[in-house]
Amino acid sequence: GQNIDQPTEMTATEGAIVQINCTYQTSGFNGLFWYQQHAGEAPTFLSYNVLDGLEEKGRFSSFLSRSKGYSYLLLKELQMKDSASYLCAVNTNAGKSTFGDGTTLTVKP
Amino acid sequence: DARVTQTPRHKVTEMGQEVTMRCQPILGHNTVFWYRQTMMQGLELLAYFRNRAPLDDSGMPKDRFSAEMPDATLATLKIQPSEPRDSAVYFCASGSPMTNPNYGYTFGSGTRLTVV
Repeated sequence: GQNIDQPTEMTATEGAIVQINCTYQTSGFNGLFWYQQHAGEAPTFLSYNVLDGLEEKGRFSSFLSRSKGYSYLLLKELQMKDSASYLCAVNTNAGKSTFGDGTTLTVKP
Repeated sequence: DARVTQTPRHKVTEMGQEVTMRCQPILGHNTVFWYRQTMMQGLELLAYFRNRAPLDDSGMPKDRFSAEMPDATLATLKIQPSEPRDSAVYFCASGSPMTNPNYGYTFGSGTRLTVV
């Protein structure tokens, strides 16, 4: 099976930087996704990492260390609209994607 | 923009009734997932299909749930009989994770099911 852990909640200030961590244990690892989900809406895709290192996309970056079973999502220049739940999902060689419980981020003025 | 279409958006039904949820994946996506989301359990994978073939439905209560993909444009999730504990938001998502993982999956808007 897969075991995915994320902090339940985080709070940060507008304009700041926040790092959301995700640790996982799985067999047949084949990549890790990050999704954003606003309350009452569907998850939307943010990033995908399959090799070690940092992937940058504008204000959002995602990092992966396969040897440590660890990823993080880095959000810079936080905006109020970034208040949402952030979900990491582990993909396996069979193409099966399992989600963590998500981290609820609250951005305060 | 291409989108995943789910119907109905909302469903209220009485315990014991059959519920059918439908999903139209994005054309060209070869993998379709059914997830259920509740406050207590987060996003749970119920079943998924690749090229219309069921690959894994171990997350689904087999005695009452069934998932099918009769053609490439339609995936269905049925609950019979429904129970109050089935109340949740059911999401369908499609993608091609083995060939285009960098685009992730696209989720439908979900079906909010309430069983009373």
